[in-house]
Amino acid sequence: EAGVTQFPSHSVIEKGQTVTLRCDPISGHDNLYWYRRVMGKEIKFLLHFVKESKQDESGMPNNRFLAERTGGTYSTLKVQPAELEDSGVYFCASSQDEDGDGYTFGSGTRLTVV
Amino acid sequence: EDKVVQSPLSLVVHEGDTVTLNCSYEVTNFRSLLWYKQEKKAPTFLFMLTSSGIEKKSGRLSSILDKKELFSILNITATQTGDSAVYLCAVANPNSGYALNFGKGTSLLVTP
Repeated sequence: EAGVTQFPSHSVIEKGQTVTLRCDPISGHDNLYWYRRVMGKEIKFLLHFVKESKQDESGMPNNRFLAERTGGTYSTLKVQPAELEDSGVYFCASSQDEDGDGYTFGSGTRLTVV
Repeated sequence: EDKVVQSPLSLVVHEGDTVTLNCSYEVTNFRSLLWYKQEKKAPTFLFMLTSSGIEKKSGRLSSILDKKELFSILNITATQTGDSAVYLCAVANPNSGYALNFGKGTSLLVTP
């Protein structure tokens, strides 16, 4: 079974540019989560999709971040325009059931904004 | 606000030693506590502890949950260099689609 895949693994962009991160969850997993870890801090929840619907986006930092999951399959997270403080590792996770178990994480995308 | 605190932040031990990693939490609505191991990339699942499953064991790793005192420990016996990783503790929030609240992690280095 293929795991959760994220693309790209590393992205370096200039402040003010736009970046789009992609997450392909495990096939059949309705729940998809985005998390972020900035340097020196803990991994923080960003948002949760159930199929194509945003269940909870309370962790999104501001309106420069836009997440989509059209068709309930893969998801994208766009940052526009990127700021220096957006640098960090963005993780995606998926699960079949919404019970805290069975979470599978992707390897993350390391975003560096210079 | 929910809080998860891990200690120590960093640990260096020799192969063969036993280590205990700590995780305390303050959450408004507890459902489950999870432990992950993160080597280079993706956090990989170790254990989930709930009210109905407060002790878990897998090989040299074991974990217990104390719901009264609001903490959990992860124990690794006879450590090996392959155990070197960051160990993450997280509490699932049922009020938020089981989004995970993470601690900062404990970085474990096992030296030969």
